[in-house]
Amino acid sequence: QQQVKQSPQSLIVQKGGISIINCAYENTAFDYFPWYQQFPGKGPALLIAIRPDVSEKKEGRFTISFNKSAKQFSLHIMDSQPGDSATYFCAARNGGSNYKLTFGKGTLLTVNP
Amino acid sequence: NAGVMQNPRHLVRRRGQEARLRCSPMKGHSHVYWYRQLPEEGLKFMVYLQKENIIDESGMPKERFSAEFPKEGPSILRIQQVVRGDSAAYFCASSLDRQTTDTQYFGPGTRLTVL
Repeated sequence: QQQVKQSPQSLIVQKGGISIINCAYENTAFDYFPWYQQFPGKGPALLIAIRPDVSEKKEGRFTISFNKSAKQFSLHIMDSQPGDSATYFCAARNGGSNYKLTFGKGTLLTVNP
Repeated sequence: NAGVMQNPRHLVRRRGQEARLRCSPMKGHSHVYWYRQLPEEGLKFMVYLQKENIIDESGMPKERFSAEFPKEGPSILRIQQVVRGDSAAYFCASSLDRQTTDTQYFGPGTRLTVL
């Protein structure tokens, strides 16, 4: 059972455009939702994270929107740049009995110049 | 300020051999997590360790896989009698403590290929 569903699987955006990646979760015990960025051959790096007590968090060009009632959250990348081309993973963590991250399957973002 | 270090970065083993993957957490971090990434898949949790203790190994196969984080030295993920299905990227992450909002910092991974 996949607990975090991520879409789309791949995304192509023109430079300067907005990239939007969506995730949905099932487990209401999740209480922390990070997004990770991974370049080829590298480990995932934390990009931005949100807790469910806020509906939006913005850091530079990156914004997380969170809808607790719908159990959905999304990453928006404004003014997308070729250097943003990477795989993006949403994740969720259960603050209850354990602290493991449950990841979505990832979105391969390509930003064309 | 070194990040999480993993070695080797690439490991090739024949079926039936043993694979040993090492992870040195960030300085001051005493919590280590291992994840496995199969091609076209997200990362899957395997095990969570603190110094000398396995806290949660719910994601680790019961057979052939083991993990440790000794008082001194790196954390080790050990895979005995490897099979082709073990081919994957194995990532280690560390955190300062287990608070919910604490960041897990990932290493560069070990890419295991089983021939």
